[in-house]
Amino acid sequence: DIQMTQSPASLSASLEEIVTITCQASQDIGNWLSWYQQKPGKSPQLLIYGATSLADGVPSRFSGSRSGTQYSLKISRLQVEDIGIYYCLQAYSAPLTFGSGTKLEIK
Amino acid sequence: EVQLVETGGGLVQPGRSLKLSCVASGFTFNNYWMSWTRQAPGKGLEWVASITNSGGSTYYPDSVKGRFTISRDNAQNTLYLQMNSLRSEDTATYYCTRGDLVVPIDYWGQGVMVTVSS
Repeated sequence: DIQMTQSPASLSASLEEIVTITCQASQDIGNWLSWYQQKPGKSPQLLIYGATSLADGVPSRFSGSRSGTQYSLKISRLQVEDIGIYYCLQAYSAPLTFGSGTKLEIK
Repeated sequence: EVQLVETGGGLVQPGRSLKLSCVASGFTFNNYWMSWTRQAPGKGLEWVASITNSGGSTYYPDSVKGRFTISRDNAQNTLYLQMNSLRSEDTATYYCTRGDLVVPIDYWGQGVMVTVSS
């Protein structure tokens, strides 16, 4: 099984700050990496797919990047509505595996 | 608007069975793979099962293989998850999700709670 090591587990940042969350894949997964945001009490929502493609309706302050087997989600200017838990997902091979999540709070 | 509405959750004793349903609307159901993903209380996300758009192929992680069965009725725009031999560790919110070969999971339902306890 492919392991997705996500960091940090939690993050507290100020409004307008740049935030970066990373996922390290245990083997090559190409661009089969998605990012999801889960707001408190809600279902997850797709932010990024194909490692770098922004999902419809997602603000442009969100972006995804890849360097080898390391994937990053960047929020360029943190807003209050961005609080929640962020997960990465690899879909290169079954079983699909999620990262352990990053809880983002406002400082 | 894409909508995925799950039903069938509840409290069930260990070893018993439960069947979840997910009614889809707002898109052409038989064009998409469908999946179930779960989230134990206060925990992260775990993929549970996927089925191809035709229903011809299904996929499971080892944690549920042989106990859970995913199926679909394309005429009724409905996805199912038959869960047998339930264990306490199956307690979770179960989400119905949509995907395709480009985006494996794009839309999520609101989720349905399954509690396995005596």
